[in-house]
Amino acid sequence: NAGVMQNPRHLVRRRGQEARLRCSPMKGHSHVYWYRQLPEEGLKFMVYLQKENIIDESGMPKERFSAEFPKEGPSILRIQQVVRGDSAAYFCASSRQGANQPQHFGDGTRLSIL
Amino acid sequence: KNEVEQSPQNLTAQEGEFITINCSYSVGISALHWLQQHPGGGIVSLFMLSSGKKKHGRLIATINIQEKHSSLHITASHPRDSAVYICAVSTYGGSQGNLIFGKGTKLSVKP
Repeated sequence: NAGVMQNPRHLVRRRGQEARLRCSPMKGHSHVYWYRQLPEEGLKFMVYLQKENIIDESGMPKERFSAEFPKEGPSILRIQQVVRGDSAAYFCASSRQGANQPQHFGDGTRLSIL
Repeated sequence: KNEVEQSPQNLTAQEGEFITINCSYSVGISALHWLQQHPGGGIVSLFMLSSGKKKHGRLIATINIQEKHSSLHITASHPRDSAVYICAVSTYGGSQGNLIFGKGTKLSVKP
C-alpha cells in the first residue's frame, strides 16, 4: 500500500516558467493538504482540498498559485511565472474523510528557481 | 509572538538518555500533532492528540489543555532518533488542514 506520492522529488525552473507539482494521496484518502517550507523556516499551510472542491485556501498567495484535486488523477499545485522566492520544499499530505483524521505526508518536492 | 512555540530549539543527547521536547500554544485547538522530519527531508506524523497521553514504542506524547502545553518524550534514545521534531495545531473553528506549525526542535543523539 503506497503512501502519499509526490513527484517530481526535485524540480528546477527558470524565473518566469511554470511549475507543476503532483500529489497522489494514499488509497482511501479523499482530503489533500499542501504545505510550503521555505529555507530555514517552518512549515506553512497553503491549501486544503477534497475531490473537486477547495475547502480552505487561506494560506495560498493571491497571485500565480493555484491548486486542484480533480475527480480522477492527482492533486496539482501550479505556480505560474515563478520567482526566486518560490524556491522551497512543498509537502503534500492526505487523510480520510472525517474530523481530526491523522494526516500522512509525502516526501516533498524541492523546487529550485534559477 | 508565534502562536506555537517549541523548546528547546536544538538538543544534543547521548544514546540512552530520556528526552523531552516541549510545545506551548496560545490559540484554542481541536488537535495537536507531533511530526518528525528526517535529515533527508521527509515528514512522518507521530501523534495526533486532543487530550491525555498517547504512547507508541519509545515515544510518549502528552497534552494539558488547560495549560496549553504538550510534551514529546523519547525513552532510551538512539542515534536513529536524530531528526527535527515539529509541533503543530489545528485551531478550534478552523479547517482541519489549516495547521499552525512550530519552528521545530532539532535533536541529535550521539552514540
